[in-house]
Amino acid sequence: DAKTTQPTSMDCAEGRAANLPCNHSTISGNEYVYWYRQIHSQGPQYIIHGLKNNETNEMASLIITEDRKSSTLILPHATLRDTAVYYCIVRDNTDKLIFGTGTRLQVFP
Amino acid sequence: DTGVSQDPRHKITKRGQNVTFRCDPISEHNRLYWYRQTLGQGPEFLTYFQNEAQLEKSRLLSDRFSAERPKGSFSTLEIQRTEQGDSAMYLCASKVADTHYEQYFGPGTRLTVT
Repeated sequence: DAKTTQPTSMDCAEGRAANLPCNHSTISGNEYVYWYRQIHSQGPQYIIHGLKNNETNEMASLIITEDRKSSTLILPHATLRDTAVYYCIVRDNTDKLIFGTGTRLQVFP
Repeated sequence: DTGVSQDPRHKITKRGQNVTFRCDPISEHNRLYWYRQTLGQGPEFLTYFQNEAQLEKSRLLSDRFSAERPKGSFSTLEIQRTEQGDSAMYLCASKVADTHYEQYFGPGTRLTVT
């Protein structure tokens, strides 16, 4: 079973920041938080991952709380092409990804 | 394009027929994964290989399913005696082993069993 809970859906205005929350209260000390997204009818696309420090790359920022029980994915300037299902995944050392049902983000003009 | 490729992209078959899908991973990636995704759900892990060795199989992988990676490069997933419940998107992913790098996914093969 997935170790994360996410809201089912969210809306965001184009150009605004999209903040996608994720709860992972049972995360273990050596487990990483990964974010993927899936645009309709395509394979999942990696976004970012982190252990305990905040991370930023060209796509997004990942903020992990100090107790590591939750995190937030931030898309700083959402565009229509960011409309997708976003998956927050806690990855253990077995290397397989356990997906939940994700958050459906709708970016509107 | 040097990403993960899958063939075919779409397959329609009649119940009871056998089907085989192919996945070509990124060339330097020694781990290869198969996932299945049904409508409205996230992908579910099926199995994975390190080089040619199949290291783990999910309980979702019934005895009608078999996966191979004979030379540690491309992989095939075969479903025998297909059932309507096998209708799904079958996704392949690859990565470099023993790192916290990401899995790269292919575009998937959509199977419809009529």
